[in-house]
Amino acid sequence: GQQLNQSPQSMFIQEGEDVSMNCTSSSIFNTWLWYKQDPGEGPVLLIALYKAGELTSNGRLTAQFGITRKDSFLNISASIPSDVGIYFCAGQLKAGNNRKLIWGLGTSLAVNP
Amino acid sequence: DAGVIQSPRHEVTEMGQEVTLRCKPISGHNSLFWYRQTMMRGLELLIYFNNNVPIDDSGMPEDRFSAKMPNASFSTLKIQPSEPRDSAVYFCASSLRDTQYFGPGTRLTVL
Repeated sequence: GQQLNQSPQSMFIQEGEDVSMNCTSSSIFNTWLWYKQDPGEGPVLLIALYKAGELTSNGRLTAQFGITRKDSFLNISASIPSDVGIYFCAGQLKAGNNRKLIWGLGTSLAVNP
Repeated sequence: DAGVIQSPRHEVTEMGQEVTLRCKPISGHNSLFWYRQTMMRGLELLIYFNNNVPIDDSGMPEDRFSAKMPNASFSTLKIQPSEPRDSAVYFCASSLRDTQYFGPGTRLTVL
């Protein structure tokens, strides 16, 4: 099925460093979502973006909806050990009742204390 | 508030056996999604329901997989007969608008 191009695939950083990851698509989306998955759990929503160019923050997290509506990035500032996990981007193109999300393959983040 | 509830959390079965996974969505949500997650293929949407009606089942791998939603508070995903390649984590998610809320998943191992 269709997937988003998410990069990097994995990151290993030192505590306190900033992190950046992004997603690109050949399709235009109306909504971009960023989720985090902890081991043994389901993904949890971090940030939702609804307008092209929108920049939204949630604590140390900042995400932007690209102007072309084909990309998005997520930044984490001053990383801490509990940021460890897999981060997923997801795009949605609403058409009628269609609420289907298209998912990236994830960015696995490891933080060295 | 109770989130999405899935059962069982873990299932180990032998090839050829029938497997039934269960999901209780968040009360008031009108959309329900079944996903499969593997290392190789990531999160794959299998099927989703809107107001208990299947809207898109294009992700269902083959006829061995079936899903039902008899009412707004319950859904099942059945695999019959199961095969080793079905081993994965199966997630159920529900939503009212854009945000999908995921359950803890069922880890299925088919020997």
